[in-house]
Amino acid sequence: DGGITQSPKYLFRKEGQNVTLSCEQNLNHDAMYWYRQDPGQGLRLIYYSQIVNDFQKGDIAEGYSVSREKKESFPLTVTSAQKNPTAFYLCASTPPTPSGNEKLFFGSGTQLSVL
Amino acid sequence: GQQLNQSPQSMFIQEGEDVSMNCTSSSIFNTWLWYKQDPGEGPVLLIALYKAGELTSNGRLTAQFGITRKDSFLNISASIPSDVGIYFCAGPRAGGTSYGKLTFGQGTILTVHP
Repeated sequence: DGGITQSPKYLFRKEGQNVTLSCEQNLNHDAMYWYRQDPGQGLRLIYYSQIVNDFQKGDIAEGYSVSREKKESFPLTVTSAQKNPTAFYLCASTPPTPSGNEKLFFGSGTQLSVL
Repeated sequence: GQQLNQSPQSMFIQEGEDVSMNCTSSSIFNTWLWYKQDPGEGPVLLIALYKAGELTSNGRLTAQFGITRKDSFLNISASIPSDVGIYFCAGPRAGGTSYGKLTFGQGTILTVHP
């Protein structure tokens, strides 16, 4: 079955530590996104990538980094510079067709907590 | 920037009741999307609206694209326990080429009592 796989489901970060969240998709979608969700708030865009080897900052990119070396993979690194990393992180992708590229398909998320 | 305001923030209803929620914006959207998020999971697209005045159904769910283009409504008829979750409205931002850059409302939390 096609879809987006995020791992791990739960992740704990120590002070000063960088952690990487994995996102893999087999939908053959070109564009991929990372959103952050905090309780009681809407989703906020961290980074997005429209094509391999290219990515752009979203609204809250500070303290995060990404790479897009393969079409299927878009990992997110939460660096020690991110002072409030506790949140639910969602990876998503959109299909390439003009009439459907606003429809985000989401993974099941990673809950990151600080020890 | 564009913001979406959802109301109510939360709802507690009895099984079998109908549910109405809405989403408003100070700016125009050309597309409205409604997502549902189950606890601990990613949101799933329920309905997409593309035209002002459009009324679209998906099973017991019906959504409408407001005529002013600044609002949208979602109704759920005859609620059941599995309707529990967070419902988000969203819309693509103006300009740009990556339409997956959505603005989300803060969500409506729905609780259904059996």
